[in-house]
This record gives sequence, structure tokens and C-alpha cells, in this order.
Amino acid sequence: QLQLQESGPRLVKPSETLSLTCTVSNGSISDNTYYWDWIRQPPGKGLEWLGSIYFRGSTYYNPSLKSRVTISVDTSENRFSLKLSSLTAADTAVYFCARLSYRSSSGIDSWGPGTLVTVSS
Amino acid sequence: DIQMTQSPSSLSASVGDRVTITCRASQSISNYLNWYQQKPGKAPKALIYGGSSLQGGVPSRFSGSGSGTDFTLTISSLQPEDFATYYCQQSYSTPRITFGPGTKVVVK
Repeated sequence: QLQLQESGPRLVKPSETLSLTCTVSNGSISDNTYYWDWIRQPPGKGLEWLGSIYFRGSTYYNPSLKSRVTISVDTSENRFSLKLSSLTAADTAVYFCARLSYRSSSGIDSWGPGTLVTVSS
Repeated sequence: DIQMTQSPSSLSASVGDRVTITCRASQSISNYLNWYQQKPGKAPKALIYGGSSLQGGVPSRFSGSGSGTDFTLTISSLQPEDFATYYCQQSYSTPRITFGPGTKVVVK
């Protein structure tokens, strides 16, 4: 069964850049039937899609964050990464990585457990 | 962008109740609507895709219906493990997906 695991710092200072990595196990990030997503959830709030990447490197970002988000993929290591710049307290959230079907009819079928990132000095 | 709304934002129910949650899209999304269940401190779990197809392992008391802009998630007989928050999500504009704000199901 596919497993996703987020890793990275749990505490980041305001104005700095957050870097998270999602490692994919029991499956290939080069599978051409999936996108690889980052989604976040502020404490007590709903889910916000941040962006997606295809294994060939095509990226898609939430317009509300587009200037601050960068997603990259490393197929040799079977992992993908998120960078979010110019952090503020509003970026404090649980960050999830997930696998999204390439087909519009299918949605997300796998999620990482999530990692809580706190933005504070 | 396709906006998603859900109603109610929360509901109280008892074990054995029939529960219905509504999701509406700001434009037609055909049947490209998915439902997820999330419990506190956990990642969301996929329940239904394509508007009405159950993900593997999901109990048959869960069902989804709708097309176009209006969708429903129904739990036919609420079980103790079903108290959770439910999110709809459109995949019409995959990979640019959007989620509804969620519906929290609490004990009456």
C-alpha cells in the first residue's frame, strides 16, 4: 500500500522560507496517472490546496499563494518538496502531502499523516 | 476558480440516524465530486469519488449522489465511528482542486 511521509522543521520564523519534503514508499512517483499535491489545514479550519506537481515537473499552484509557493520533484529519490516563502503566523498549519489521480473522476486516494508547522519567533 | 459550499456547517445526530450533507459548486462540475472524512488529528480519508462511487473498504451505509452543481453525502445509519468532519472536493479542474468548508457531525 502506498505510503506518504512529510518531513521538515516544525518551527519556522516569520519572513523565513518553509521547506518540506514528502517521501513516497510502496509506489513510484513516476506513475503517469497521478499528480503529487501539497494541502494544508490551519488549526481548527478547513483544507486548502497549495499546489500539484506531475512527475515530469509540470507545476500548478493555488493563485492565492502562487508567488510564494514552489513545488519540485526528485524522481531518483521518489520524493517531492514544498517551499513556501515570506512566512507569517497565518501560515501556521498542518501540511499534508497527497496523491491526486490524473483522472478528474477520482480525486485524492492517499494522504500523508501531516506535519504541524508553527510560524513564530 | 470553482468555489465549493457545504451545508450545514455542523449537525448533531444520534447513532442510528440518517444523515445528509449537501455540497454545492459555483459552476457545473459534472460528477467530478469527491467526499472525505476527517477525524481529529488525522489525515482525511477518501470515502466517495466520482460523485457516487465508494472507495475500497468504505462501508455501504455511505452513499453519494448528484451531478452538475448539487451533491449529497448520506449516511444511512450513523455509527459511533462516523462522528467526524466531512469535506467535499471538486476534481473537475484537476489538478486545481478545491475543497468545501466542511461539515462537522457531532453527538446529539
